[in-house]
Amino acid sequence: QMQLLQSGAGVKKPGASVKLSCTASGYPFTDFYIHWVRQAPGQGLEWMAKISPSGGTPSYAQIFKGRVSVTTEMSTSTVNMELSGLTSEDAAVYYCARGHYAGNLDYWGQGSLVAVSS
Amino acid sequence: QSALTQPASVSGSPGQAITISCSGTSTDVGGYQYVSWYQQHPGKVPKVLIYDVNKRPSGVSNRFSGSKSGNTASLTISGLQTEDEADYYCSSYTTSSPLVFGGGTKLTVL
Repeated sequence: QMQLLQSGAGVKKPGASVKLSCTASGYPFTDFYIHWVRQAPGQGLEWMAKISPSGGTPSYAQIFKGRVSVTTEMSTSTVNMELSGLTSEDAAVYYCARGHYAGNLDYWGQGSLVAVSS
Repeated sequence: QSALTQPASVSGSPGQAITISCSGTSTDVGGYQYVSWYQQHPGKVPKVLIYDVNKRPSGVSNRFSGSKSGNTASLTISGLQTEDEADYYCSSYTTSSPLVFGGGTKLTVL
């Protein structure tokens, strides 16, 4: 069945980077975009980035440009998201989600909790 | 890119209908037919209810419907049920940043 399995959560020190992975299964990997969305504790959803596994340039939210990078590993149907220069404001649950270029995020990963603490 | 504007909270009684608004601009909601709505229960993963303004994914109750007028999109829930109590988020494709979410609306079923 369709699944997005996330890995890479944990506690990071301020200034460090975090790399999260999202491995897809149960559907043709190249047919859909993978989006990254985060949710700080008690806060709303915040869109971060998207990538088409079939190729093309990733798109990033302006607020994260220069700090976020999204890449694809075709051999394992995995999309990786790396966020650098972590601060306490980056503490959140990070989700990957399958969708189209304009949204319609129809399947979501289970979420990865990232805490930032010295 | 600023978040789309949603009311912080709405409430209704079982059986009633409620509407949640999502206000944007001509560069997002008003400019594209790419508004989606998501439901999120506490501690759970968001679930898409509506996409492309008014399309409902397979398996989503027909009590949920979407519409758009100008720069404002709306989600209507009819026949309100206790299990509808959750947070609701709109999102839209945008000119400047591919996707933006609304701030979210907490629905309370009285």
